[in-house]
Amino acid sequence: EDQVTQSPEALRLQEGESSSLNCSYTVSGLRGLFWYRQDPGKGPEFLFTLYSAGEEKEKERLKATLTKKESFLHITAPKPEDSATYLCAVQANAGGTSYGKLTFGQGTILTVHP
Amino acid sequence: NAGVTQTPKFRVLKTGQSMTLLCAQDMNHEYMYWYRQDPGMGLRLIHYSVGEGTTAKGEVPDGYNVSRLKKQNFLLGLESAAPSQTSVYFCASSYSPHIQYFGAGTRLSVL
Repeated sequence: EDQVTQSPEALRLQEGESSSLNCSYTVSGLRGLFWYRQDPGKGPEFLFTLYSAGEEKEKERLKATLTKKESFLHITAPKPEDSATYLCAVQANAGGTSYGKLTFGQGTILTVHP
Repeated sequence: NAGVTQTPKFRVLKTGQSMTLLCAQDMNHEYMYWYRQDPGMGLRLIHYSVGEGTTAKGEVPDGYNVSRLKKQNFLLGLESAAPSQTSVYFCASSYSPHIQYFGAGTRLSVL
């Protein structure tokens, strides 16, 4: 069974204080690892997809990296507007018929104080 | 281009009542999904559809039914609501079984 564990559950940072969020996963053949951002009262917003170990993607102050067992979301010099819940999800290779099932972690609640 | 639109945004039901949640997407996506999000549980897949006229069960389908009569719409029905169905419901769609785009959610309380 595919599993995703995110840590920490909550992270409080001062503006400008860089840090990383962790996503550990087990999956029977990784098709893709996804990062989403979710603001309070809203739906998840797609950020990145990573496909193979060693891959990195960047968007503004965010950089996602992938190994064979985990992914990190690095936040460089965060701003208060980066405060949100960050969700990690994996999609497995399902053979001939894949419907794109995503297995989500519980998320990391990031708060950035001015 | 509205993306994925869910209606209603909020609803309160009494135990045993029925209701239908509507999801509409204007991106011509083939795949559509219904999830529920509960504290400490993450997002869990209820039902999904790989195309017009098709539906299938996800991880937590009990107590729910779905229909996909038109490509752009995916309906989630609760025939007899229970307090355990109090949750936030999200619809998502994707062009292929790949990146999913989510709606803003429906907050449902069952008393």
